[in-house]
This record gives sequence, structure tokens and C-alpha cells, in this order.
Amino acid sequence: EVQLLESGGGLVQPGGSLRLSCAASGSGLIFGDSAMSWVRQAPGKGLAWVSGISGASVAIHYADSVKGRFTISRDNSKNTLYLQMNSLRAEDTAVYYCAGYYYGVTGYYDIKKPFDFWGQGVLVAVSS
Amino acid sequence: EIVMTQSPATLSVSPGERATLSCRASQSIRDNLAWYQQKPGQAPRLLIYGASTRATGTPARFSGSGSGTEFTLTISSLQSEDFAIYYCQQYDNWPPWTFGQGTKVEIK
Repeated sequence: EVQLLESGGGLVQPGGSLRLSCAASGSGLIFGDSAMSWVRQAPGKGLAWVSGISGASVAIHYADSVKGRFTISRDNSKNTLYLQMNSLRAEDTAVYYCAGYYYGVTGYYDIKKPFDFWGQGVLVAVSS
Repeated sequence: EIVMTQSPATLSVSPGERATLSCRASQSIRDNLAWYQQKPGQAPRLLIYGASTRATGTPARFSGSGSGTEFTLTISSLQSEDFAIYYCQQYDNWPPWTFGQGTKVEIK
């Protein structure tokens, strides 16, 4: 079973920056063969995908709402996923979850899977 | 971008009764649909994938059906622990991965 643990959240002023981390662990984990994403949930709202990255970091994707402001990355030697968030806005206030799925030797674009494993979430609050 | 629409927004059901939740995709997503359950203060948990396959640990009272653009999640006999918010998600055409707005199942 894969466990994900996010950290790095907190209160930041508009225009500020934060870096989230997501540490993966667990039996059977092959982090480098897992696609990872960040999904956020504004207070009282639904789930919204933010950004995703392939196992080898070759493919990276962003939602339009964060493109140019957020940067996703990963360090497979540390089994850790990151989200650098710059130019933060009030509307970025949310609980941020890391989530992912294992795709193994299948090509990243060839497999279609849901998010099998999720972290517990970390709160980011943007306010003056 | 594929838009996912869930109905109803809120479903009031008595324990032991059946609950039927709907999810519609703006274009065909074949059977690449997942259902997640989320309880207050918790992360989403994968319940169903492939439109109808139960994830590990999902009780048999949960069943999914549909393909193309119309999908249903049925809870055959609601237990107290099933009162939660349920989200559908498409993973056929990405990015972006998109979710429905959720259906809250509450105690009647």
C-alpha cells in the first residue's frame, strides 16, 4: 500500500510563494513508474486537478488557472513530489492533495487509470 | 476539456434504502470513469473504476454502471458510514483530468 504525506502548506499573502512537498512510501511502491498529480479543493467546493507529471518528468501538465505560476517537479531518488506556487491569489486557497497511479512499463500516454492513491491533504490559505 | 455533471447535488436517503447517483460526461469517455467517496476532513477514496469495477476494499453494496456519457453509482442499502460526498472523474481524455461537482448523500 502506498502512503503519501504532504507538507509545506500555510498562510501566505497575495503575491507570495509556497512550496508543497509530497513524500511517498509503502510496500510495493515504485515511485518512478507512477504518474503523480496535485488536486485541490477550495473550502466547501469540489475537486479540481491542478498539475500532473509522468514518472520520468518527461511529460508535465497544468490547469489553465495555474499555468505560468505553478511548477510541478519530482525527485525519484527521494520518492518526493513538489509543487512550487508563485504569485499566489486568494482563489488559490484550498486543501491541496497529491494523488497518483502506477503505470509501470506501459507508456505514460497509453494507460488510462484513476488516481489510486491520495495523500491526506495540506491547507494553503492566501490572505492579507 | 470534458465536463462532468453530477445529479442530484444532494440526495436525502434513509439508512437501509437504495441510493442512485448520476454522472454525465460532455462527450464519450467509454468506460474510463471513476467514483470517489469523500468524508469530512478526509481525502477522497477510490471506490469504483472502469465504470463498474470495485476498488480493493469497496463493499459489494456499491455498484457502478454505464458507458459513453451516462453513468450511475448505486448503493444498494445505505449504511451509516456511507453518508458522504461522491465524485465522478473521467480519465479517458487528459489533461485535464476532470471531476463532477459532487453529490452529497445525507441522512433523511
